[in-house]
Amino acid sequence: NAGVTQTPKFRVLKTGQSMTLLCAQDMNHEYMYWYRQDPGMGLRLIHYSVGEGTTAKGEVPDGYNVSRLKKQNFLLGLESAAPSQTSVYFCASRTNYGYTFGSGTRLTVV
Amino acid sequence: TQLLEQSPQFLSIQEGENLTVYCNSSSVFSSLQWYRQEPGEGPVLLVTVVTGGEVKKLKRLTFQFGDARKDSSLHITAAQPGDTGLYLCAGGGNRGSTLGRLYFGRGTQLTVWP
Repeated sequence: NAGVTQTPKFRVLKTGQSMTLLCAQDMNHEYMYWYRQDPGMGLRLIHYSVGEGTTAKGEVPDGYNVSRLKKQNFLLGLESAAPSQTSVYFCASRTNYGYTFGSGTRLTVV
Repeated sequence: TQLLEQSPQFLSIQEGENLTVYCNSSSVFSSLQWYRQEPGEGPVLLVTVVTGGEVKKLKRLTFQFGDARKDSSLHITAAQPGDTGLYLCAGGGNRGSTLGRLYFGRGTQLTVWP
């Protein structure tokens, strides 16, 4: 099925651990985005990419890194997880009409 | 600073009632989108409006883009329990924005009781 796939769906990390969230889209979209969603804060942009090999910072990039080695994949990395990074993470790709979102990754850092 | 302000933040109504959700900004946007998000899922695009004053209807949902392209509203007629969800507005293409980036409001949580 066409769309945006995020893995994993749930994860619990200990403070200081690292992990990578994977986002894959099969719609040949150029633009991809990583957001975090927190209660009362809405969706906040972490990083984005306008094409293979490009990445740029959004409004809350600290503590995160990204890579876009292949057009279909956009990876979000946490080098040293902190409790403040407990959140639901959404990946999206852009069409001419709007965004297509993945179903999210719920990350808890203890 | 939130670029898009949504109101109300929470809305709890009975089945069959009408409701309106508002999305306001001091910035001009080239497009305004509405999404609905259900628990455990990502937001799903409902509609995109691009022309000031534009009105779009999607069954019982009516979307309007303000004449000055700074605000939008979502009106639901005869709400049903299936309309329950988080409604998000998002603006794109405002002056100085990153190409392709959308700015999201914080959302309106709608609950429709049977």
